[in-house]
Amino acid sequence: SQTIHQWPATLVQPVGSPLSLECTVEGTSNPNLYWYRQAAGRGLQLLFYSVGIGQISSEVPQNLSASRPQDRQFILSSKKLLLSDSGFYLCASYLTAAGNTIYFGEGSWLTVV
Amino acid sequence: QKEVEQDPGPLSVPEGAIVSLNCTYSNSAFQYFMWYRQYSRKGPELLMYTYSSGNKEDGRFTAQVDKSSKYISLFIRDSQPSDSATYLCAVLYTGGFKTIFGAGTRLFVKA
Repeated sequence: SQTIHQWPATLVQPVGSPLSLECTVEGTSNPNLYWYRQAAGRGLQLLFYSVGIGQISSEVPQNLSASRPQDRQFILSSKKLLLSDSGFYLCASYLTAAGNTIYFGEGSWLTVV
Repeated sequence: QKEVEQDPGPLSVPEGAIVSLNCTYSNSAFQYFMWYRQYSRKGPELLMYTYSSGNKEDGRFTAQVDKSSKYISLFIRDSQPSDSATYLCAVLYTGGFKTIFGAGTRLFVKA
């Protein structure tokens, strides 16, 4: 079965520090991969998506970046965090057993202080 | 205009009530319609999905799509306290890469 692993699950980072969130997918090959952010009490905002190794599309201009060094690995990074980067970050991929619907990992909670 | 509109609630109902959750969308090109359930501090989980119009039933849950009015609904029968969560609707173009989500409706079912 397809599963998504995300880590770390929770982190508290000071303003101006770097960030690296990692996501790996099991049970599928060449998946579409996505990073979403969910701010407190708000909906899901698509940040980046990737259809293949090294291919990244950015949806929202900001101080975050994404990379896909391997087929089933997706990384979200920042060189200098802002307070506004706080939120719940979710990695997602397509669930091939359920049409074109996407499924999510457990998420990473980021608090920038 | 947002592509998907969803009332954020909160919606509070007594146990056993029928719950109706709704979304509207703006683009008639959307073909996939999904409902996700998200418990506090967890990732959303797919509850139901529908391709094109019509109804789909799964246990106590029924998803309904009315493409003529661009309206999607989720009905929960015999609601339980364990149904308390945020429910997100989502839409997708056929062949599209980007799923678009509503803001989510927070539901509380009181015992």
